[in-house]
Amino acid sequence: QTVVIQEPSFSVSPGGTVTITCGLRYGSVSTTYYPGWYQQTPGQAPRTLIYNTNIPYSGVPDRFSGSILGNKAALTITGAQADDESDYYCVLYMSGGISVFGGGTRLTVL
Amino acid sequence: QVQLQESGPGLVKPSETLSLTCTVSGGSIRSSYWSWIRQPPGKGLEWIGYMYFRGNTNCNPSLKSRVTMSVDTSSNQFSLKLTSLTAADTAVYFCVREIFGTAEAGSHYFDNWGQGTLVTVSS
Repeated sequence: QTVVIQEPSFSVSPGGTVTITCGLRYGSVSTTYYPGWYQQTPGQAPRTLIYNTNIPYSGVPDRFSGSILGNKAALTITGAQADDESDYYCVLYMSGGISVFGGGTRLTVL
Repeated sequence: QVQLQESGPGLVKPSETLSLTCTVSGGSIRSSYWSWIRQPPGKGLEWIGYMYFRGNTNCNPSLKSRVTMSVDTSSNQFSLKLTSLTAADTAVYFCVREIFGTAEAGSHYFDNWGQGTLVTVSS
């Protein structure tokens, strides 16, 4: 049973803006879950993008930003580029010290 | 820059035990928490658990009965054992550094991922 919910796929035009969300099947996501976002291209290890809701990891372009939108965590890409075409995963830090990943969102840039 | 490298068998038989090792270079294994995350082919990421050099561990409840994690400070390595393997355990296994904050300034994220090692469970 999937507890952390992401959109399975999204499409964005080059230069456009897209927001991917991360919700809970039961309840609301808040900063206390320390939402994180990870980017993965095929055959590669994930790359850390955003942590603690909205802190960009070292070296991450500023077109990537994180926030809480309503009852979900959100990753926004402003000015999407072709090499942003990837899978994006959120992770929430749950009670008991358990980390739970969302199912991932496949972003297409076209 | 801390670097991690997984090692272990690429093929394991059903019902057997998987043993993986992660070698940490560029930093001390005493400095952080260390985790295992896996990804079945074509599927998403699953957190397996973390360990600390003092022996603290925490594990995904769905895997807890089959997982053992340990740290070898003398060789700057940490390890994962997963018992009673089935085809559902076929995955790329990543070792990762897991970062926690302090009681005063909470934080949580993963960084410094290993490249991953594919483990196939098949007879």
